[in-house]
Amino acid sequence: EAGVTQFPSHSVIEKGQTVTLRCDPISGHDNLYWYRRVMGKEIKFLLHFVKESKQDESGMPNNRFLAERTGGTYSTLKVQPAELEDSGVYFCASSQDTGLAYFEQYFGPGTRLTVT
Amino acid sequence: GQNIDQPTEMTATEGAIVQINCTYQTSGFNGLFWYQQHAGEAPTFLSYNVLDGLEEKGRFSSFLSRSKGYSYLLLKELQMKDSASYLCAVRDHRDDKIIFGKGTRLHILP
Repeated sequence: EAGVTQFPSHSVIEKGQTVTLRCDPISGHDNLYWYRRVMGKEIKFLLHFVKESKQDESGMPNNRFLAERTGGTYSTLKVQPAELEDSGVYFCASSQDTGLAYFEQYFGPGTRLTVT
Repeated sequence: GQNIDQPTEMTATEGAIVQINCTYQTSGFNGLFWYQQHAGEAPTFLSYNVLDGLEEKGRFSSFLSRSKGYSYLLLKELQMKDSASYLCAVRDHRDDKIIFGKGTRLHILP
């Protein structure tokens, strides 16, 4: 079974440009999460999709970030315009429907974004 | 507020035992995770504790005390491949959000 995949693995862009990150969750996983790790800091939650709906987007830093999950399959995270402080590693994770039970979140390898 | 503390770095010797501690203060609690992350790779799930006590899984064990806001990850018979960062993370019962600590970088010496 394929794991969570993310594209690209690395992206270097200039301040003010736009970047779109993609995440393909494990097939059949309704829950999709985006996280970010800024250099020297902890991994922080950005948002959570259940199928195509945004369940929780309280971690999104500002309106320069836009996440979508059309059709409830893969998701994209667009940063427009990118700022220097957006540099970091963006992780995607997916899990089965949680309900009242815990289901492990499987992480992708991350996209390392560098804004210069 | 929410705060998770764990040592920044630890060093241990191949074949030995190491204990990585984690303390947390969170407004909601519904379980504590340990993840392993090798450099440049995805965090991988190691353990999940929601009740007090010790959970053993092969060479790895995880302990939780909810009253003390404390957990540890115990690694036995250390191998060189265990060199990695170990992330302590807490699940919030209100919204299922996972809050991560900064991670402990473990160095294994031959």
